[in-house]
Amino acid sequence: QKEVEQDPGPLSVPEGAIVSLNCTYSNSAFQYFMWYRQYSRKGPELLMYTYSSGNKEDGRFTAQVDKSSKYISLFIRDSQPSDSATYLCAMKAPGGTPKLVFGQGTRLTINP
Amino acid sequence: GAGVSQSPSNKVTEKGKDVELRCDPISGHTALYWYRQSLGQGLEFLIYFQGNSAPDKSGLPSDRFSAERTGGSVSTLTIQRTQQEDSAVYLCASSHPGQHQETQYFGPGTRLLVL
Repeated sequence: QKEVEQDPGPLSVPEGAIVSLNCTYSNSAFQYFMWYRQYSRKGPELLMYTYSSGNKEDGRFTAQVDKSSKYISLFIRDSQPSDSATYLCAMKAPGGTPKLVFGQGTRLTINP
Repeated sequence: GAGVSQSPSNKVTEKGKDVELRCDPISGHTALYWYRQSLGQGLEFLIYFQGNSAPDKSGLPSDRFSAERTGGSVSTLTIQRTQQEDSAVYLCASSHPGQHQETQYFGPGTRLLVL
């Protein structure tokens, strides 16, 4: 079983919809949680970074962390065609190597 | 400023040949990482450099894989005697400890195809 599980999709929604992306994890040592966005044939770019349970909002994006359930989410409001990309959750533990452990990525398409 | 750059963008090679992949990190970033992205596998950590030393090589899949970093800057990932299962996108990232929560910034990747 992988340390981080993410539904690979694909997920297709109409423009303007609210999108919910989720990851679960098994390693309770993870303390830092990230969402990266990756456009086709590009490298991942950081969208959101959280390190505590609760919600963090940035524009149309909200990241949610529930450490007790080992579950994180990314919500996209008023989705746009330009949001079409693969979304990767990533996590790391404090101390040691600051390597990221990624979910498989969810491929999202927003239809105009 | 310039981001992380990688070369070549694409590489097609024959099984059994050696390949070298290059990463130029963001200037001043002391930490450098290599990851591999395969279909159905997501992004997997390969190796971590702090300066020129590699305190964590635990993700390298076999002894055919090696990496070095010189001058605290450029890094090269070498795959010897390539196999078809080595086909993937190889991504490099860099970060600066203490800066922006040590965010890792990724390059565009090198797409390797082993025939």
